[in-house]
Amino acid sequence: EAGVAQSPRYKIIEKRQSVAFWCNPISGHATLYWYQQILGQGPKLLIQFQNNGVVDDSQLPKDRFSAERLKGVDSTLKIQPAKLEDSAVYLCASSSLRDTSYEQYFGPGTRLTVT
Amino acid sequence: LAKTTQPISMDSYEGQEVNITCSHNNIATNDYITWYQQFPSQGPRFIIQGYKTKVTNEVASLFIPADRKSSTLSLPRVSLSDTAVYYCLVGDRGNTGFQKLVFGTGTRLLVSP
Repeated sequence: EAGVAQSPRYKIIEKRQSVAFWCNPISGHATLYWYQQILGQGPKLLIQFQNNGVVDDSQLPKDRFSAERLKGVDSTLKIQPAKLEDSAVYLCASSSLRDTSYEQYFGPGTRLTVT
Repeated sequence: LAKTTQPISMDSYEGQEVNITCSHNNIATNDYITWYQQFPSQGPRFIIQGYKTKVTNEVASLFIPADRKSSTLSLPRVSLSDTAVYYCLVGDRGNTGFQKLVFGTGTRLLVSP
């Protein structure tokens, strides 16, 4: 079974530029999560999708961050414009409702550096 | 939301048993306790989950006392490859999956030869 795929793995941009991250969850997983992990901290949930609907986006800075999950499969997270404090690893995870533990499977992440 | 408290770091040696305790005093009736492991430059990986008493799988055991206000992750005979950050999470396992799971800063385990 293929894992959660993310791209790019690394991105360096200047502040005020825009950037987009892509995530392909495990096939059949209805729930998709985007997390932000700042160095030395635990992952912070940004947004959670159930199929193509948003379940929780309470911690998403909506003035600059946006995310979509078209057709309930792939997802894109965008930052526009980026700030220095957005430097972090952005993790995508997915889980299946058929798995009673709701285990989240994480991708390798995208490391963003904003200069 | 149930808040969790864990030690910031722990040190151990190869072959020893490691016990990491997590405090979650305001755990709710429907909350489950889940532990994840994270290696550098990787996403977290699920280790174990439980609701009460004891749960054991091929890599760890999870001990939960009757009041459920704490839990202990037990790693038997650790090796160097167990050096990682371990996160304790508490959340409601509802019909649509976990929501609002909050990762703390975790416990950084260092295993030495």
